[in-house]
Amino acid sequence: KQEVTQIPAALSVPEGENLVLNCSFTDSAIYNLQWFRQDPGKGLTSLLLIQSSQREQTSGRLNASLDKSSGRSTLYIAASQPGDSATYLCAAINAGNNRKLIWGLGTSLAVNP
Amino acid sequence: GAVVSQHPSWVICKSGTSVKIECRSLDFQATTMFWYRQFPKQSLMLMATSNEGSKATYEQGVEKDKFLINHASLTLSTLTVTSAHPEDSSFYICSARDWVGQGGQPQHFGDGTRLSIL
Repeated sequence: KQEVTQIPAALSVPEGENLVLNCSFTDSAIYNLQWFRQDPGKGLTSLLLIQSSQREQTSGRLNASLDKSSGRSTLYIAASQPGDSATYLCAAINAGNNRKLIWGLGTSLAVNP
Repeated sequence: GAVVSQHPSWVICKSGTSVKIECRSLDFQATTMFWYRQFPKQSLMLMATSNEGSKATYEQGVEKDKFLINHASLTLSTLTVTSAHPEDSSFYICSARDWVGQGGQPQHFGDGTRLSIL
């Protein structure tokens, strides 16, 4: 049974820092992995999707990597800004019917001005 | 692109009322839609998966007669919480995906509906 863990649960950094959020999964047989952002009381915004055959994806200041063999993904945020404050969720998408997302509990990020 | 619109964003109603939540994909055809429930400071809990034109597949522990899902078109799915009670109060989020090829497509989420049952 796939389990997804995110570390740390919460993170507070000063503005401008580069930071790394970690996501680990127990079953390497994933179809792909997706990172999301959730603002308080809001839905989710898809940030990056990494196919199982890929090692990383980049979008602006965000870079997500995937290492299936070690069961890890990282989300790198460069030059963090207060507007980056949110909860970041990763979800592994298992092979199989309907491609269900298996969710981590998220990392709550606060970027302080 | 890939916008999912969820409506309403907030509902407050009396116990015993049935509440319908709509989820629309605005600029793509959603062959599969997902309904989630989220409790405060917890991650999303998948309630059911629906494919256009077929019956929804409910997760274990989710009452299908309580949470009615209809996915009648490629752009619209609805979740009806029947005879809602205070314990049904939660944040409900839908997502939609257009399945293309073997690579798959990401899920795109609505902004959620906060349901409060008095």
